[in-house]
Amino acid sequence: EAGVVQSPRYKIIEKKQPVAFWCNPISGHNTLYWYLQNLGQGPELLIRYENEEAVDDSQLPKDRFSAERLKGVDSTLKIQPAELGDSAVYLCASSSRDPSDPDTQYFGPGTRLTVL
Amino acid sequence: QQQVKQSPQSLIVQKGGISIINCAYENTAFDYFPWYQQFPGKGPALLIAIRPDVSEKKEGRFTISFNKSAKQFSLHIMDSQPGDSATYFCAASIAGNTPLVFGKGTRLSVIA
Repeated sequence: EAGVVQSPRYKIIEKKQPVAFWCNPISGHNTLYWYLQNLGQGPELLIRYENEEAVDDSQLPKDRFSAERLKGVDSTLKIQPAELGDSAVYLCASSSRDPSDPDTQYFGPGTRLTVL
Repeated sequence: QQQVKQSPQSLIVQKGGISIINCAYENTAFDYFPWYQQFPGKGPALLIAIRPDVSEKKEGRFTISFNKSAKQFSLHIMDSQPGDSATYFCAASIAGNTPLVFGKGTRLSVIA
């Protein structure tokens, strides 16, 4: 079974430029999460989707960040414009409602963003 | 407000020794406590998890000890190996596909 796929793996941009990250969750997983991981820190939730609905986006800086999950499968996270402080790893995770494994979140490899 | 506090920040253990990492949580509604392992350049991967209905769970060399009254849980790695060198994160959530709240991580180095 394929894991969570993210692209690109690395991105270097100038400040004030836009950037987008893509995530393909594990097939059949209804719940998708975007987490932000700063260097030396644990991941922190940005947004959670149940199918195509964003059910928890309270931590998403909506002035510059946006996300979508059309058709309840793939998701895109966008930053426009990027700031120096946005340099971090952006992790995507997914989970299912399978009674045998209801809470495990499976993480992708992340996209490492560097803003110059 | 840091809901999950993890210690130590870094840990050096001799090969064959026991690695112990501790976490404390504040939200009594948490009822799912996983530990994740992360290697450089990789995403976190689930190592082992526990629910509050048991005080200990063991999987191979990895054991979680859970103390509900103290709101603490810990990871024990027995017979630590150089391949265990990674960053370990404790986390907590309310069961039911809710977001994980992570600790700040412990960088473990196992030296021969």
